[in-house]
Amino acid sequence: LAKTTQPISMDSYEGQEVNITCSHNNIATNDYITWYQQFPSQGPRFIIQGYKTKVTNEVASLFIPADRKSSTLSLPRVSLSDTAVYYCLVGVGYSNYQLIWGAGTKLIIKP
Amino acid sequence: SAVISQKPSRDICQRGTSLTIQCQVDSQVTMMFWYRQQPGQSLTLIATANQGSEATYESGFVIDKFPISRPNLTFSTLTVSNMSPEDSSIYLCSVEDPRSYEQYFGPGTRLTVT
Repeated sequence: LAKTTQPISMDSYEGQEVNITCSHNNIATNDYITWYQQFPSQGPRFIIQGYKTKVTNEVASLFIPADRKSSTLSLPRVSLSDTAVYYCLVGVGYSNYQLIWGAGTKLIIKP
Repeated sequence: SAVISQKPSRDICQRGTSLTIQCQVDSQVTMMFWYRQQPGQSLTLIATANQGSEATYESGFVIDKFPISRPNLTFSTLTVSNMSPEDSSIYLCSVEDPRSYEQYFGPGTRLTVT
């Protein structure tokens, strides 16, 4: 059973690139890795998803090494509005594997 | 994408009573999830609710305490039964896009049990 580990908190400054790493030993072959962002009093919101190598969209990049035992969410040029909690999720519901959520990383962006 | 609404947004309930939380989706979806999130904590999956079948509960959650209904592809309810202060939490529903595996979440229901 996969277990995810991510830093409890991080801080950075506006305009910087932020990298948040999630460790997920024992990830299953069919498991995808997904990152979500959550603001206070809101449900989580999808950021990016990947299976291996690198994925990039308009807001973030996701780096997954060949062994898939970790993944790194990269947020380019953060702003104050990126202050939120970021969760990594291993697994997808349709695969019938368990959904394993990380504990979340509280990211604080300073001016 | 999917837009999800939940009712109520918050409630304060007395110990021993029950509360039913409603989750409405703006499109038909097969798989729906119910989560609990304690303040400052991560999400804990309560159960998976597929239309036309019994809900599948995660370890530590039982149907007698958290009965779920899924009458159609756009609606589900979660009941928190015989509540105690330990049930105070935020309850979230979500749906998963079968093509992208992306989950869309409702805004949550904040429950306080006194």
